[in-house]
Amino acid sequence: DAGVTQSPTHLIKTRGQHVTLRCSPISGHKSVSWYQQVLGQGPQFIFQYYEKEERGRGNFPDRFSARQFPNYSSELNVNALLLGDSALYLCASSLVVLSSPLHFGNGTRLTVT
Amino acid sequence: GQQLNQSPQSMFIQEGEDVSMNCTSSSIFNTWLWYKQDPGEGPVLLIALYKAGELTSNGRLTAQFGITRKDSFLNISASIPSDVGIYFCAGQHLGGNQFYFGTGTSLTVIP
Repeated sequence: DAGVTQSPTHLIKTRGQHVTLRCSPISGHKSVSWYQQVLGQGPQFIFQYYEKEERGRGNFPDRFSARQFPNYSSELNVNALLLGDSALYLCASSLVVLSSPLHFGNGTRLTVT
Repeated sequence: GQQLNQSPQSMFIQEGEDVSMNCTSSSIFNTWLWYKQDPGEGPVLLIALYKAGELTSNGRLTAQFGITRKDSFLNISASIPSDVGIYFCAGQHLGGNQFYFGTGTSLTVIP
């Protein structure tokens, strides 16, 4: 079975632009979470979706938004990009929300110039 | 936000040696996870723990859920070069929807 797939793998954007990142979960997993990982740090929680509904949101500005589709895939959108948004964006899928291990994709490396 | 402290921050060991690392938090967790991350890749799940005192193995790796529920430990026996990477712990509160990640332990194995 395929693992979590993310696209694109790398992206370079200019300040003020908008970006959309995509994620396909492991087959059978209904929950998708998004994490931001800055170089040298552990991942930080951005969003969690389960059955197309937002179940949790981390401490990120409203410029960050996400959605989950009927096939359980997900998009993360970031508007008005700032230099500080440069990071590895990780998508993780899990069977359910509670006590369910996260399985990560290889991430999208976003560079904002 | 919740901070998880991992120690040591980095380790340099000889191939064949055993490794021990730990993760501590200021609050109680209901689930602990351990991950390994290689450069340019996403974290890979190593071990999941669900009960205080639980001891779980995955090959040469053994992890324990601390009895206080505020800590967890990972041991690697007879290290090999492919063990090189950054190890992260992650914890989830009872009823919580997010995992909090530690600061990571960087492991270097010298052949």
